[in-house]
Amino acid sequence: GQQVMQIPQYQHVQEGEDFTTYCNSSTTLSNIQWYKQRPGGHPVFLIQLVKSGEVKKQKRLTFQFGEAKKNSSLHITATQTTDVGTYFCAGPEKNFNKFYFGSGTKLNVKP
Amino acid sequence: GAGVSQSPSNKVTEKGKDVELRCDPISGHTALYWYRQSLGQGLEFLIYFQGNSAPDKSGLPSDRFSAERTGGSVSTLTIQRTQQEDSAVYLCASSLSLMGGQGTDTQYFGPGTRLTVL
Repeated sequence: GQQVMQIPQYQHVQEGEDFTTYCNSSTTLSNIQWYKQRPGGHPVFLIQLVKSGEVKKQKRLTFQFGEAKKNSSLHITATQTTDVGTYFCAGPEKNFNKFYFGSGTKLNVKP
Repeated sequence: GAGVSQSPSNKVTEKGKDVELRCDPISGHTALYWYRQSLGQGLEFLIYFQGNSAPDKSGLPSDRFSAERTGGSVSTLTIQRTQQEDSAVYLCASSLSLMGGQGTDTQYFGPGTRLTVL
């Protein structure tokens, strides 16, 4: 079954509103990566977090990695229509035998 | 080429036939990954290769699936006796090194092969 879950599955926001997606893994991850997939496209790497409790920012995007390295979040401030897409968290299990992608959160931004 | 390439881009086959999907990773990338994505769903990890090391095959959905990587570069994913539930987009990705490295494990994805089993 699915090892990494994300909530919410879908999010519809008005342009300018904030957005957050949460990622929860049933196992400890060595690191967490976030990808964005535009409709009809393939996943594109956004960022990687490695340390427990790490926080990184990319302009309007803020990424956090939980203390137990089992959860993560992505927060977008003041969404824009260009933010539309599905956001996936992903990471290798501790012994690197498998790589898990989260179930994804599909973001729709209304202009 | 500059990116990961996959072929064919689309494949329609009849149930019971075998198919072979190809992935050309970015030159110099030692790690190669295969995923499957059903319509509107997340990515399902299938298998990864690190150089010429033997891969862990436990992520493959069934024994009808096999993957090879010859010479540490090009990889093929073979599905024997295809079933309708095999229909999906098969994505390949490559990274500079084994996942878990210091920023060198960013995965670059190919455009995928859309497989339709009738």
